[in-house]
Amino acid sequence: DTAVSQTPKYLVTQMGNDKSIKCEQNLGHDTMYWYKQDSKKFLKIMFSYNNKELIINETVPNRFSPKSPDKAHLNLHINSLELGDSAVYFCASSSHGSPLHFGNGTRLTVT
Amino acid sequence: GDSVTQMEGPVTLSEEAFLTINCTYTATGYPSLFWYVQYPGEGLQLLLKATKADDKGSNKGFEATYRKETTSFHLEKGSVQVSDSAVYFCALSGVNDYKLSFGAGTTVTVRA
Repeated sequence: DTAVSQTPKYLVTQMGNDKSIKCEQNLGHDTMYWYKQDSKKFLKIMFSYNNKELIINETVPNRFSPKSPDKAHLNLHINSLELGDSAVYFCASSSHGSPLHFGNGTRLTVT
Repeated sequence: GDSVTQMEGPVTLSEEAFLTINCTYTATGYPSLFWYVQYPGEGLQLLLKATKADDKGSNKGFEATYRKETTSFHLEKGSVQVSDSAVYFCALSGVNDYKLSFGAGTTVTVRA
């Protein structure tokens, strides 16, 4: 009965590869997010979708592309991975006015 | 734009000590304020929130009061336990925002 689930939990890959992280929420929320947490625990929003429409697109390299096939899913695809992409990526969801619910994160390591 | 500044860590305490983590914010209008907690290896969980001035949020022995006059939302707990060891994030949501702006996080370690 996990509310926000993301897969995989760990992802180790080499520079230059393309990878995807998937996220699903079963809370009935209409807004979903991707956050990046660096090694110093700093959290930065990357993208947000509301009812499958992109509403927040912070300064993120265009190698990162979110895809929202429906309100319950928001995937993150990353092309040409770089060492600096190593981080923990968190998916979250909310409805307007409600607090964010976070997934448990995907630890991406680029070697 | 909206921003949150919170006390830098790390903070190390003994069990049963008093914990305070300072948080101040900059925002237009009347934002909602939150404290989130991240236990090792996990995602963030909402700890408490306050949506208007003078509101007090409380949960698990933690409290924070929305102070508009000082633009602050300091987190306090009177007697910490080892299980409170975590990273604590202060955050705000603007009136018409779809996103949370987070502080830098404060790592708290409680020793037995």
